[in-house]
Amino acid sequence: EAGVVQSPRYKIIEKKQPVAFWCNPISGHNTLYWYLQNLGQGPELLIRYENEEAVDDSQLPKDRFSAERLKGVDSTLKIQPAELGDSAVYLCASSSQGTSAVQFFGPGTRLTVL
Amino acid sequence: DQQVKQNSPSLSVQEGRISILNCDYTNSMFDYFLWYKKYPAEGPTFLISISSIKDKNEDGRFTVFLNKSAKHLSLHIVPSQPGDSAVYFCAARDGGATNKLIFGTGTLLAVQP
Repeated sequence: EAGVVQSPRYKIIEKKQPVAFWCNPISGHNTLYWYLQNLGQGPELLIRYENEEAVDDSQLPKDRFSAERLKGVDSTLKIQPAELGDSAVYLCASSSQGTSAVQFFGPGTRLTVL
Repeated sequence: DQQVKQNSPSLSVQEGRISILNCDYTNSMFDYFLWYKKYPAEGPTFLISISSIKDKNEDGRFTVFLNKSAKHLSLHIVPSQPGDSAVYFCAARDGGATNKLIFGTGTLLAVQP
């Protein structure tokens, strides 16, 4: 079974430029998460989707961050414009519906903003 | 405020010995606890979990213990192997239907051959 797929794996941009990350969850997983992981910290939730609906986006900085999951499968996270402090690893995870707490993570995208 | 704390940034053990990783939490509403392992340049990989209604869960070399009164859980790895060297994250679910996980800051385990 294929795991969570993310691309690109690495991205280097200059500040004020836009950037987008893509995620394809495990087949059949209705719930999709985007996390931010800063160096030396654990992952922090940015947004959670149940199918196409964003059910928890309270931690997403909406002035510059946006996300979409149009067909309830893959998802895109965008930053526009990027700031130096956005340098981090962006992780995507998915889980099956119901009471399962186990989330399966992709390899992440390491973003460097210069 | 840090709801899930891993106070040891790193731990070094000899191959074949026991590794004990600790985690403390503050929110008594957490209903599920998980341990993830992370290698460099990879995403976290699920290792083992425990429901708040249990005090122990075992899977091969890995055992998780939960002490609800102390709001403390620990992961035991016996025997430790060099391939276990990684960062271990403790995570707690906030209960109910949100399935939101709160992660600790991680402990870097080094297993010396």
